[in-house]
Amino acid sequence: GQQLNQSPQSMFIQEGEDVSMNCTSSSIFNTWLWYKQDPGEGPVLLIALYKAGELTSNGRLTAQFGITRKDSFLNISASIPSDVGIYFCAGVTTSGTYKYIFGTGTRLKVLA
Amino acid sequence: NAGVTQTPKFRVLKTGQSMTLLCAQDMNHEYMYWYRQDPGMGLRLIHYSVGEGTTAKGEVPDGYNVSRLKKQNFLLGLESAAPSQTSVYFCASSYSKRDTQYFGPGTRLTVL
Repeated sequence: GQQLNQSPQSMFIQEGEDVSMNCTSSSIFNTWLWYKQDPGEGPVLLIALYKAGELTSNGRLTAQFGITRKDSFLNISASIPSDVGIYFCAGVTTSGTYKYIFGTGTRLKVLA
Repeated sequence: NAGVTQTPKFRVLKTGQSMTLLCAQDMNHEYMYWYRQDPGMGLRLIHYSVGEGTTAKGEVPDGYNVSRLKKQNFLLGLESAAPSQTSVYFCASSYSKRDTQYFGPGTRLTVL
């Protein structure tokens, strides 16, 4: 099945550093979502984006809906140890065939 | 308000055995979903339901059946388990197609 490409696959960073990750697709989506999954838990929504070009923040997290509608970006500023986890993007399209596709995930590890 | 719950949390099956995973949500959501999560693969949609009495295939439906007899419950069945079905299974629900999906804690299934 189709999956979205997320980059990087994993990253180690120092506490206090900023983090950037992105999600790309060959398809257009009309909604982009970013989730975080902690070990042993289900994913939890961080940010939802509904319009091309939209930039939305949630605390230290900022996400953008790419202009082409084929990509999205997530930035985390001043990372802290509890940012550890797997971050998933998801693209949704409800026009034509319904699709709610998850990315392959970015595993983040923060070194104190 | 428990959100989305899943039973059981863990299960070990022998090849050829059958079992049913139960998902329940108390948010009055119309949409419910079953995903499987494998290492490095992110989340892949197995089946979903857009309302009581309806079900539809996702990306990886083979080997699974589902039923939505009550709005709050979504059952995932494995008629004849195979080792390839060893995975972590997540149930999710949402108010509409485009909205946030709320995930359960997952069921870890091992097929020997």
